[in-house]
Amino acid sequence: QVRVVQSGTEVKRPGSSVKISCKVSGDSFNKYGIDWVRQAPGQGLEWMGGIVPFSPSGTFGHRFQARLTLTADPSTGTAYMELGGLTAEDTATYFCTYLSQWGPGTLVTVSS
Amino acid sequence: AIRMTQSPTSLSASVGDRVTITCRASQGIRKDLVWLQQKPGKAPKVLISDGSALKSGVPPRFRGSWTATYFTLTITSLQPEDAATYFCLQEYNYPRVFGPGTRVEIK
Repeated sequence: QVRVVQSGTEVKRPGSSVKISCKVSGDSFNKYGIDWVRQAPGQGLEWMGGIVPFSPSGTFGHRFQARLTLTADPSTGTAYMELGGLTAEDTATYFCTYLSQWGPGTLVTVSS
Repeated sequence: AIRMTQSPTSLSASVGDRVTITCRASQGIRKDLVWLQQKPGKAPKVLISDGSALKSGVPPRFRGSWTATYFTLTITSLQPEDAATYFCLQEYNYPRVFGPGTRVEIK
């Protein structure tokens, strides 16, 4: 049974960065990709990007290409999403997904 | 990027009703479509993958089908716990794209 756990709520200042972790257990982490999705309050789902743990680079949504970094540590089964240049429009819940399992989400609030 | 349209935006139906939600892809995506259910304050849950494959533990009243670029999610007998927003997701290529969602309310 695959289980996905994410790091906790974040409050950030405009212009800063946020780094969220996503730990996968119950499966060999190396086989499949991890996708990152966000959802602004009251809005739909937006795909941000994805990474395959042993692949040197990820694939990114056009809107995030310049400020999104995706990494993964296969030794710990953990993936990371770092989003820079935060603005109030980045206030959202951020999800990671692995093999159709979604993490619970991490709320990021960007406020001065 | 592939565009996904979804209809209706919202619907209200009674318990026991048959409900149909449609997603259309702007180009062929084979059967590479996922249906997700999201309840308020919760993470989305995958109901169906590959257009019609029911995920383990999902009630059989949820059915997925498709013809060409039109995909349909049918709830054959709506239950109170089905009140949620439903999204489609194309997994044919990158970037992945979600449909805008359909909110289902129970009358």
